[in-house]
Amino acid sequence: GDSVTQMEGPVTLSEEAFLTINCTYTATGYPSLFWYVQYPGEGLQLLLKATKADDKGSNKGFEATYRKETTSFHLEKGSVQVSDSAVYFCALSNDYKLSFGAGTTVTVRA
Amino acid sequence: DVKVTQSSRYLVKRTGEKVFLECVQDMDHENMFWYRQDPGLGLRLIYFSYDVKMKEKGDIPEGYSVSREKKERFSLILESASTNQTSMYLCASRTTGTTEAFFGQGTRLTVV
Repeated sequence: GDSVTQMEGPVTLSEEAFLTINCTYTATGYPSLFWYVQYPGEGLQLLLKATKADDKGSNKGFEATYRKETTSFHLEKGSVQVSDSAVYFCALSNDYKLSFGAGTTVTVRA
Repeated sequence: DVKVTQSSRYLVKRTGEKVFLECVQDMDHENMFWYRQDPGLGLRLIYFSYDVKMKEKGDIPEGYSVSREKKERFSLILESASTNQTSMYLCASRTTGTTEAFFGQGTRLTVV
């Protein structure tokens, strides 16, 4: 069945550092891919998405490119802030199902 | 503003009890989902529904059932609660297709 594998955390960074969180997927057909974020004490919210191969999703300085050849959707940000501290989830949507990875906890220190 | 409302933020139930978790959305979404969130395991899909009265098993349906009699409401039922069902339960909804899913605030269930 469909599945998402993402980089294990936790990840601790200093402010203005470069962030990468790896995400790979297994799916039949042509899934859509998402990154969701959960800030401390809050619910999950969509960060960005890509619906077809080579699409780039972007939001709040974060980017991810849908790579069908490597079945990947890695999340990147060039310069993180303390306010980016959160849990990040990679997700895949195929037909009606929406599946998530295990989540990566990111802590940014001032 | 879009809204997915879960009936309780915190619940404590006894082993063997039948437990109902309710989720209501006000966006006329066709698809609704129930997940549990556990540290190190992320979100695991329990059941989902792509339309009224339709339901599909997710990845971990054992010990759970669901009901979707009306479009706006999706209920998760623990037939006989057990301690290993202690978890955070999250409900989500979206329109059919590739669109954004909206999440409720979650219900933290403790089974003692």
